[in-house]
Amino acid sequence: AQSVTQPDIHITVSEGASLELRCNYSYGATPYLFWYVQSPGQGLQLLLKYFSGDTLVQGIKGFEAEFKRSQSSFNLRKPSVHWSDAAEYFCAVKETSYDKVIFGPGTSLSVIP
Amino acid sequence: ETGVTQSPTHLIKTRGQQVTLRCSSQSGHNTVSWYQQALGQGPQFIFQYYREEENGRGNFPPRFSGLQFPNYSSELNVNALELDDSALYLCASSFGDRVNSPLHFGNGTRLTVT
Repeated sequence: AQSVTQPDIHITVSEGASLELRCNYSYGATPYLFWYVQSPGQGLQLLLKYFSGDTLVQGIKGFEAEFKRSQSSFNLRKPSVHWSDAAEYFCAVKETSYDKVIFGPGTSLSVIP
Repeated sequence: ETGVTQSPTHLIKTRGQQVTLRCSSQSGHNTVSWYQQALGQGPQFIFQYYREEENGRGNFPPRFSGLQFPNYSSELNVNALELDDSALYLCASSFGDRVNSPLHFGNGTRLTVT
């Protein structure tokens, strides 16, 4: 069955430091991959998506992610974190047959001033 | 462009009662997906509606049911509420006939069952 894992439940970084959030998926074909961010009490906002082509994708708010087929990974990165980036981050995989999206358990990001 | 809106924002119900949650999809979107997000967890897929028909369902019992209307808005109904149904319920809309269409989420309905 298709699944998404995010190994880090919680990460704390200092403001201005770089960030990498890990995501691994299990799926036979090349999936459609997403990263979403959720602020407390809010819905999910799309940061970026990968469907095909260039394996390094750029998103909003200065985030990028790299698809590595050999590692079944889609890690999210940001070169310099801002205090406003503190939130919950979800990696998600979409089945190609229809629009069902499966989410990982999330990584909570805290930013230290 | 109007985004996804959900109502109500908060709801408190008693175990055994029934609840209806509502969702208006983003303008032009023909597919609505519903997710349940328990505290501290990722969203879990409940079901999806495409052009008024259910075309996918997650591991939820039949007391979770839904509707989609001709204007593509949607309702989620939960019968015989249980304490474990307490969660944030998220609605998301998309273009179901475009495989590269991402989900656009509303802010959710927080349901508390006492």
